[in-house]
Amino acid sequence: GESVGLHLPTLSVQEGDNSIINCAYSNSASDYFIWYKQESGKGPQFIIDIRSNMDKRQGQRVTVLLNKTVKHLSLQIAATQPGDSAVYFCAERETNDYKLSFGAGTTVTVRA
Amino acid sequence: DVKVTQSSRYLVKRTGEKVFLECVQDMDHENMFWYRQDPGLGLRLIYFSYDVKMKEKGDIPEGYSVSREKKERFSLILESASTSQTSMYLCASSPQGGPQHFGDGTRLSIL
Repeated sequence: GESVGLHLPTLSVQEGDNSIINCAYSNSASDYFIWYKQESGKGPQFIIDIRSNMDKRQGQRVTVLLNKTVKHLSLQIAATQPGDSAVYFCAERETNDYKLSFGAGTTVTVRA
Repeated sequence: DVKVTQSSRYLVKRTGEKVFLECVQDMDHENMFWYRQDPGLGLRLIYFSYDVKMKEKGDIPEGYSVSREKKERFSLILESASTSQTSMYLCASSPQGGPQHFGDGTRLSIL
């Protein structure tokens, strides 16, 4: 079946550098994408979302890029901080569907 | 801020017991979801509800049931708990067309 997946299971980043977390998806019918952050012992926290009629969306210190041609999604975190250490998931959904498909997650570790 | 509250952070039950996990959201969201999260398996959908008294099976409904009598509350029921149901259980809610927001989870151990 089709699934959402991340390119790398782990990412180590120097504090203050920018982070880029990648996600590939295979369902061409997906039109809504979400990034979540999950810290140890907590539930996933919504970071940012993007719909398929956009290719870029910015939030506070975060930018999501969507490339529908190659079915690729990325999350950029500017000036990474120790509090950004967590597991990051991408998720996708088709129009008129309730259910999300989640990627396996990338563990981001920020080095002081 | 969206608030999804799960009644217990940690719960220990015995095999064969009937277990109730409660979830409440305060954002008047139409949709609510129950997941379990296990190492190496990620998030798996158990059941979801798109309206009061409505429910739909997710990917792994066996051994579980749900109840949604009020819009803000979605309960997960383990009819006869088994050790294979030891897991982290996550509740989420979403508005129509919007993102799901999660609670902090219930870590359930079945002995």
